[in-house]
Amino acid sequence: AQKITQTQPGMFVQEKEAVTLDCTYDTSDPSYGLFWYKQPSSGEMIFLIYQGSYDQQNATEGRYSLNFQKARKSANLVISASQLGDSAMYFCAMSPSGNQFYFGTGTSLTVIP
Amino acid sequence: KAGVTQTPRYLIKTRGQQVTLSCSPISGHRSVSWYQQTPGQGLQFLFEYFSETQRNKGNFPGRFSGRQFSNSRSEMNVSTLELGDSALYLCASSISGTKNEKLFFGSGTQLSVL
Repeated sequence: AQKITQTQPGMFVQEKEAVTLDCTYDTSDPSYGLFWYKQPSSGEMIFLIYQGSYDQQNATEGRYSLNFQKARKSANLVISASQLGDSAMYFCAMSPSGNQFYFGTGTSLTVIP
Repeated sequence: KAGVTQTPRYLIKTRGQQVTLSCSPISGHRSVSWYQQTPGQGLQFLFEYFSETQRNKGNFPGRFSGRQFSNSRSEMNVSTLELGDSALYLCASSISGTKNEKLFFGSGTQLSVL
């Protein structure tokens, strides 16, 4: 069975500080992709970052980095230098086979001025 | 390049009615998938289409159906609406729908069933 777990329903971070959003996953597929999406109040899911299961290095995209620990089955998102516009829901997702994504329950991030 | 376009943005229906939602993928994208998002169940996969063929289907009743046209545009239909069908329906597209390919999402259709 495929499962994504996000244990932080809500997080607060001070503007300009870094924050880590947790994500653990479970799959028996040897090859899979891990994704993070941001969903602002408008509803659209915005792609942030991708990590392949065979990638040796952690992925980075601007202020976003993914702390991938394969043995622990975790794929935490790190946002550096938080901005007010980062306030949104964040979803971790996995694509183990085909084009079906499995999503976590999300973490609501609030950036405090 | 235009993003994924979903219409309508909001819909209000009553129980027993049926509804059709539309999705236009990014130009050049041939895979379209649909997701239902509710506060209780989160994001759940409905189905995925590629070249007018349904390749994958989630665990939803047969009241939920879809189709894809030759121009890759897709429609989703829900018949005999139930209160529990109230949700945000998100459409996503990708180039070919291969494994590990990122999805591009539309803004969704917010369906309310009264």
